[in-house]
Amino acid sequence: DADVTQTPRNRITKTGKRIMLECSQTKGHDRMYWYRQDPGLGLQLIYYSFDVKDINKGEISDGYSVSRQAQAKFSLSLESAIPNQTALYFCATSDSGQGRETQYFGPGTRLLVL
Amino acid sequence: LAKTTQPISMDSYEGQEVNITCSHNNIATNDYITWYQQFPSQGPRFIIQGYKTKVTNEVASLFIPADRKSSTLSLPRVSLSDTAVYYCLVGLSYNTDKLIFGTGTRLQVFP
Repeated sequence: DADVTQTPRNRITKTGKRIMLECSQTKGHDRMYWYRQDPGLGLQLIYYSFDVKDINKGEISDGYSVSRQAQAKFSLSLESAIPNQTALYFCATSDSGQGRETQYFGPGTRLLVL
Repeated sequence: LAKTTQPISMDSYEGQEVNITCSHNNIATNDYITWYQQFPSQGPRFIIQGYKTKVTNEVASLFIPADRKSSTLSLPRVSLSDTAVYYCLVGLSYNTDKLIFGTGTRLQVFP
């Protein structure tokens, strides 16, 4: 969905390096999410934010941190990358209205940690 | 948790109707049922959402029986481009712990 953008689209880094993945959205949604997907598996929730001042851990937050710089921006950081963090990372947004959870996903960032 | 269970994979041929069933025995009273489609190396895309009975849009239909313990995604006359993974999710927006993407159902459409 072009309304949700992620940068970079691909990234190769080395073990121990700090990297940041960025997500921006123009949908005006208040909620944003970071997921990771390993080959052949479903998505696992890393962190989510219901508004700028609200940050919550998901299923697999260890080794990750996030920053919600503005309603439209949500960044994911790997403080010290390790090889098992090699995965496809997706950002998503949703609108909090009426309790229905419909998420809109970005194109993904493919990360390789050597 | 409203855990969902789906078949791991399904095969079909072009032009056929495909029905993918999802079991969610622990669905809560206020939970909605949402289906997503994911192509390789792309983010999931919303297909359809419902609460009870039947919902239809331009892409698919969603059938939900009265007890809501299961749901069926129906794709009419599939084409090769419908080859993807389909995820069933059950939950509400304020209870993100329930919004768990399982491994989904991998649909392969053959010519």
